[in-house]
Amino acid sequence: NAGVTQTPKFQVLKTGQSMTLQCAQDMNHNSMYWYRQDPGMGLRLIYYSASEGTTDKGEVPNGYNVSRLNKREFSLRLESAAPSQTSVYFCASSESPTGREKLFFGSGTQLSVL
Amino acid sequence: RKEVEQDPGPFNVPEGATVAFNCTYSNSASQSFFWYRQDCRKEPKLLMSVYSSGNEDGRFTAQLNRASQYISLLIRDSKLSDSATYLCVVNGEGGADGLTFGKGTHLIIQP
Repeated sequence: NAGVTQTPKFQVLKTGQSMTLQCAQDMNHNSMYWYRQDPGMGLRLIYYSASEGTTDKGEVPNGYNVSRLNKREFSLRLESAAPSQTSVYFCASSESPTGREKLFFGSGTQLSVL
Repeated sequence: RKEVEQDPGPFNVPEGATVAFNCTYSNSASQSFFWYRQDCRKEPKLLMSVYSSGNEDGRFTAQLNRASQYISLLIRDSKLSDSATYLCVVNGEGGADGLTFGKGTHLIIQP
């Protein structure tokens, strides 16, 4: 039972490089999310997809783009990485976007931008 | 931005003891409340939802005080495996994009 799978687990980038974080869920969930977690701060929502075919900005969307490729997959792209994007990134999914249901998280991506 | 505040700790507690910590929230219209557990360098996992009447799951009891705008988590007979960071999560805007995560309370259970 894989749940939410995200890759890679670790990544080091140089300033200005681009990369895509991949996320897939096998629970047939409608909603998917990308969060970042920084020391001393709570998880902050970058982007979310309430359902297949829709994406919306969260609290901290600047510098990121997302693609809901299909119901299973939701990717996060950094077009030109900056040191301020050094963080741990978590993908999550839920059955619906009501905010009243359990979030299932992937195991995280530790990203360092030099 | 709506705020969710937690004492970061760490709370150092001997095994077998009872420990409790609170989380305050600023949005009086908040609708849903949760406690998540996060082990070091791992992803958060739902520990329990918090219902208006309070709820219990084994050794864990969660309560909501709407008048004072806080939720609490009580852990009885604490185990070494309870050592983790406990995240308070509050939904203030009615959708999953309105979830606000607290910074977490770090709990260390000592043998």
